[in-house]
Amino acid sequence: DGGITQSPKYLFRKEGQNVTLSCEQNLNHDAMYWYRQDPGQGLRLIYYSQIVNDFQKGDIAEGYSVSREKKESFPLTVTSAQKNPTAFYLCASTARGRGDIRNQPQHFGDGTRLSIL
Amino acid sequence: ILNVEQSPQSLHVQEGDSTNFTCSFPSSNFYALHWYRWETAKSPEALFVMTLNGDEKKKGRISATLNTKEGYSYLYIKGSQPEDSATYLCAFAAAGNKLTFGGGTRVLVKP
Repeated sequence: DGGITQSPKYLFRKEGQNVTLSCEQNLNHDAMYWYRQDPGQGLRLIYYSQIVNDFQKGDIAEGYSVSREKKESFPLTVTSAQKNPTAFYLCASTARGRGDIRNQPQHFGDGTRLSIL
Repeated sequence: ILNVEQSPQSLHVQEGDSTNFTCSFPSSNFYALHWYRWETAKSPEALFVMTLNGDEKKKGRISATLNTKEGYSYLYIKGSQPEDSATYLCAFAAAGNKLTFGGGTRVLVKP
């Protein structure tokens, strides 16, 4: 079955450490997204990528970095510069379809919960 | 950052009752409005993508309406069932190929 796989499900970070969250999709989708959810809040966009080797900052990109070397993969690195990394992280993807990517539904992974040790 | 508001934040519904809740978004530069259902321990699932003023979409007992001129969308659940318990998210698409999400409405259906 096609879908989006995020790993690991739970991740712990020590102070000053970079960690990388994995997101892989086999839906042949063009666009991929990273969101962060904090308790009581909605999803906030960190980074997104519409094609391979290209990505754009979202609303809360500071302290994060991404790469898009393959269509299937969009890993997110939470750097030591991110002072409050404890959150739930969701990856999503969208097909381009026949029209604008904005009217295509997003498909989501199961998420990674990141905590500080 | 665009302001997308959902109200109420949470609501309790008796099984069999109908309910509705609101998503408010900017009325300018509208492109699309998405609705997602997010059940506990699962990933968010797309319900509707709406693009035209006056759009009405339906999926089983769930339906949605859209008013782009005044900047709001309603989601309706008819005859609520326990399996409708979830957080319902709306997301607004304007400039750029990205969505801005509201904070969600958490629905709990009591048997």
